[in-house]
Amino acid sequence: AQTVTQSQPEMSVQEAETVTLSCTYDTSESDYYLFWYKQPPSRQMILVIRQEAYKQQNATENRFSVNFQKAAKSFSLKISDSQLGDAAMYFCAYRSAFVRRDDKIIFGKGTRLHILP
Amino acid sequence: NAGVTQTPKFQVLKTGQSMTLQCAQDMNHEYMSWYRQDPGMGLRLIHYSVGAGITDQGEVPNGYNVSRSTTEDFPLRLLSAAPSQTSVYFCASTIRAGGHETQYFGPGTRLLVL
Repeated sequence: AQTVTQSQPEMSVQEAETVTLSCTYDTSESDYYLFWYKQPPSRQMILVIRQEAYKQQNATENRFSVNFQKAAKSFSLKISDSQLGDAAMYFCAYRSAFVRRDDKIIFGKGTRLHILP
Repeated sequence: NAGVTQTPKFQVLKTGQSMTLQCAQDMNHEYMSWYRQDPGMGLRLIHYSVGAGITDQGEVPNGYNVSRSTTEDFPLRLLSAAPSQTSVYFCASTIRAGGHETQYFGPGTRLLVL
């Protein structure tokens, strides 16, 4: 069974600085998707970035980028130029790319990010 | 295009009561799911559906029923509410097209069972 582990329950970063959130996962599959979701106090789940396992190039979305290390099964999220609006709970998630009935996304337990003004 | 909508936003139930959490999407997505979110637990899959008329159990299905009579709607029913079902519930729909996949979440329903 696949698992997703976020070892940092909480982190803090100074506004305008860079922070990296860690995520490791375990799977025996070769093709899958990885995601980072942001959940602000409004509780809305917002997709931040996604990575296809077959792509070696790390995904980037504006100030958000990932460091995807497939052999190490690591998928960290880097937030550059942190802003107050980045304060939220961040979830790392995994989904198999194989087409099957199961639509399951496996989530980590989350990392709460605080932005210090 | 409203995306994924959920009603109600907040609900208080007494133990033993039943209720239905509504979920609808207007994006014509085949895949829909229900998750619950508890403190320190992340999101866990309750039930999911791969299309109208097809549903299946997820990780924590006990105490919940679902049905999918239309593509748009995927209601979650609590048969006899228990305090352990106090949680935040998220509905999601997923688009899969040409290897590209994105899951859209609703705003959530906060449920308190006394």
